[in-house]
Amino acid sequence: DAKTTQPTSMDCAEGRAANLPCNHSTISGNEYVYWYRQIHSQGPQYIIHGLKNNETNEMASLIITEDRKSSTLILPHATLRDTAVYYCIADHSGAGSYQLTFGKGTKLSVIP
Amino acid sequence: ETGVTQSPTHLIKTRGQQVTLRCSSQSGHNTVSWYQQALGQGPQFIFQYYREEENGRGNFPPRFSGLQFPNSSSELNVNALELDDSALYLCASSSQTGEQFFGPGTRLTVL
Repeated sequence: DAKTTQPTSMDCAEGRAANLPCNHSTISGNEYVYWYRQIHSQGPQYIIHGLKNNETNEMASLIITEDRKSSTLILPHATLRDTAVYYCIADHSGAGSYQLTFGKGTKLSVIP
Repeated sequence: ETGVTQSPTHLIKTRGQQVTLRCSSQSGHNTVSWYQQALGQGPQFIFQYYREEENGRGNFPPRFSGLQFPNSSSELNVNALELDDSALYLCASSSQTGEQFFGPGTRLTVL
């Protein structure tokens, strides 16, 4: 699975959009980009995933560059409950392998 | 709430002992994966079960073993516990489209 690189930490003001970047320059053509988050002392929570096209759901938007070497997770109106560690993962899971390789993620702090 | 439950919530064992952790998958999911998360690190894949057979394994020694039952519930067994086995153990069940749904985890402390 491709390695991903994320900033160690970020701050965001409550109510503003949180934009979390991820580099995955070695991603292969059949690897999806997955985002999970982990609120302190809980299990990781699935947020969104995509292959080539931008994706949006009730939680977030995922913007993938045309060359697929990087992506951005956007939380449109961050709340204090969005404070968590966010993991970007490049994985074959969409093809059924279900073996996620987590890095250290980005610790997002939403500030009142 | 993901529908994935784990027991116990917390557990304290001593070095050399054996432990069994349990997981109940989300209804309709037939793949379950186990992860180990040390403090300050991301979860590390231990192994995965699909229809009661091991279907992939991470870089963990044989003293980590598992079972999956016909109702898709699962166990993780760890023999000869070491101090470094202290961690949060996470179970996840998978949907057909690849998302994994994690349980709240079991916090294991080895003294």
